[in-house]
Amino acid sequence: GDSVTQMEGPVTLSEEAFLTINCTYTATGYPSLFWYVQYPGEGLQLLLKATKADDKGSNKGFEATYRKETTSFHLEKGSVQVSDSAVYFCALSDPTSGTYKYIFGTGTRLKVLA
Amino acid sequence: DVKVTQSSRYLVKRTGEKVFLECVQDMDHENMFWYRQDPGLGLRLIYFSYDVKMKEKGDIPEGYSVSREKKERFSLILESASTNQTSMYLCASSSLGDRPSYGYTFGSGTRLTVV
Repeated sequence: GDSVTQMEGPVTLSEEAFLTINCTYTATGYPSLFWYVQYPGEGLQLLLKATKADDKGSNKGFEATYRKETTSFHLEKGSVQVSDSAVYFCALSDPTSGTYKYIFGTGTRLKVLA
Repeated sequence: DVKVTQSSRYLVKRTGEKVFLECVQDMDHENMFWYRQDPGLGLRLIYFSYDVKMKEKGDIPEGYSVSREKKERFSLILESASTNQTSMYLCASSSLGDRPSYGYTFGSGTRLTVV
């Protein structure tokens, strides 16, 4: 079945450092891919998405490119801030599965130090 | 903006109690979902619903049931709460059609502790 694998955290960075959080997926069809962010004590918020190969999603300085050849959707940010400290979830939705269920990764906690 | 509201942020219940978690969305979404979130396990789907009075089991339905009497409300029921149901519970909604690419909207979560 479909699955999402994320790098384990926690990831600890200094402010203004470069961020990469790896995400790879397996899917039988042509999924849409998402990154969600969860700030402390809150629910998940959609950060960015990409719906087809080579699409780049971007929001708030974060970017991720849908790479079909490597089945990856790595999250990057050029210069992190303390306010980016959160848990990040990679997810996919495969419409060919016949449902609208999303498959989530286990989440990667990011801690940014001032 | 779509809003998904979960009635309680924190709940403490006793083992064996019947527990109701309520979720309401205000954007006429057809799809609603209940997940639980546990450290190291990510989000696991408990139940979901595509329409009023319709429900389907997710990946971990045991010990839970749901009710969807109105389109905007989706309730999760723990028939007899147990300590292994201590968790963060997240409700989400989404629209139908080609909208799987739109993403879910999540509520703020209910942190349930069963003692």
